Amino acid sequence: QSVLTQPPSVSGAPGQRISISCTGSSSNIWAGYDVHWYQQLPGTAPKLLIYSYTNRPSGVPDRFSGSKSGTSASLAITGLQAEDEADYYCQSYDTSLGGHWVFGGGTKLTVL
Amino acid sequence: EVYLVESGGGLVQPGTSLRLSCAASGFRFDDYAMHWVRQAPGKGLEWVSGISWNSDRLVYTDSVKGRFTISRDNAKNSLYLQMNSLRVEDTAFYYCAKYRGYDVSGSYYFDDWGQGTLVTVSS
Repeated sequence: QSVLTQPPSVSGAPGQRISISCTGSSSNIWAGYDVHWYQQLPGTAPKLLIYSYTNRPSGVPDRFSGSKSGTSASLAITGLQAEDEADYYCQSYDTSLGGHWVFGGGTKLTVL
Repeated sequence: EVYLVESGGGLVQPGTSLRLSCAASGFRFDDYAMHWVRQAPGKGLEWVSGISWNSDRLVYTDSVKGRFTISRDNAKNSLYLQMNSLRVEDTAFYYCAKYRGYDVSGSYYFDDWGQGTLVTVSS
């Protein structure tokens, strides 16, 4: 059971838009800690995709965007491409148990 | 460009020890906190441990406290994870990750990752 909750899977056809949610609690997102997103392509290490809810590192296409809505965060991908098929993880900081970093359980994106 | 290269993984028996290393290059190593994040085969990401830029603060997830020790050598641009009393449930890919901040606190992110090294604990 992950501290941050993500849907296990999402899917979409090429060109479509998908969204992945990340829900936390009073010891992490609700407490004001930022949410970050990572993309993990099959067989590779995670890569930073979005930081501090909405910011893209250089080199990340603007098809990827992040947002904050109340006490949750979302990752959106527009103009879906086959190479976007990957696992996506949200991450934040949690103050329970002395303070540590937490990840969502991951969302498997399938491009149909 | 940032490079993080882990080494030291392998197949070991329960109860034994292993030391992971991470060689860093392409950035000023002693300006950043560093972390270890692991991923069991087919599972999600789990934060394991972090160390501040000057080694003053060390933090661990509860399941490895007292068994794992994180350390760094800024002169050698290297990060380490000494893993003792290994358990079957420690089996995972272990990633070295560069933290955006210099201290192990706050809600910064992991902006660069190594390729990972696989630790398999099995009898």
